[in-house]
Amino acid sequence: RKEVEQDPGPFNVPEGATVAFNCTYSNSASQSFFWYRQDCRKEPKLLMSVYSSGNEDGRFTAQLNRASQYISLLIRDSKLSDSATYLCVVNGDFGNEKLTFGTGTRLTIIP
Amino acid sequence: DAMVIQNPRYQVTQFGKPVTLSCSQTLNHNVMYWYQQKSSQAPKLLFHYYDKDFNNEADTPDNFQSRRPNTSFCFLDIRSPGLGDTAMYLCATSRGWAGEAFFGQGTRLTVV
Repeated sequence: RKEVEQDPGPFNVPEGATVAFNCTYSNSASQSFFWYRQDCRKEPKLLMSVYSSGNEDGRFTAQLNRASQYISLLIRDSKLSDSATYLCVVNGDFGNEKLTFGTGTRLTIIP
Repeated sequence: DAMVIQNPRYQVTQFGKPVTLSCSQTLNHNVMYWYQQKSSQAPKLLFHYYDKDFNNEADTPDNFQSRRPNTSFCFLDIRSPGLGDTAMYLCATSRGWAGEAFFGQGTRLTVV
């Protein structure tokens, strides 16, 4: 089983729709979780950290489910500018601390 | 202002000719990472440092080496690049293991 798994997509979604991504991780001791956004031929940039209580930033909501070992990202009222690859990132635990990336989910917003 | 700077942005090298990529940071972060990202794939961790402690991923080719002479700088050396090493190389830093990672703009390496 991969350490961090995502549905690679692609997701083609009409503008204004709501889209959700899930990401599963294998290490139950992982402590930190992030969603990054990567535009074509650019470096990944932090979209949001994911906290146990869930967090929201404008149109974006991230949630963590430790029992089932997955995190999710919800994008409401999607914009053309949301088109990108969304990467789930998880750190390890003590003795195996490192940031591991999922394969990424490619999102295209259609006008 | 850029906080993680990679040089060069683009590098073309010949098969077998050694190449060095550099990364510098102004964040004073103690953790630094080198990732390799090939087209349409996720970034793959090559090495990481916690301060001076060096960690080499098990599947990182022996051809790849790294140096971190001080907190601010980190280098990736590819001793004998092969065609399969064509990729984007990303440097990232974080404050401790749990912190978010800040990425440089990457070096796009092409081996011909």
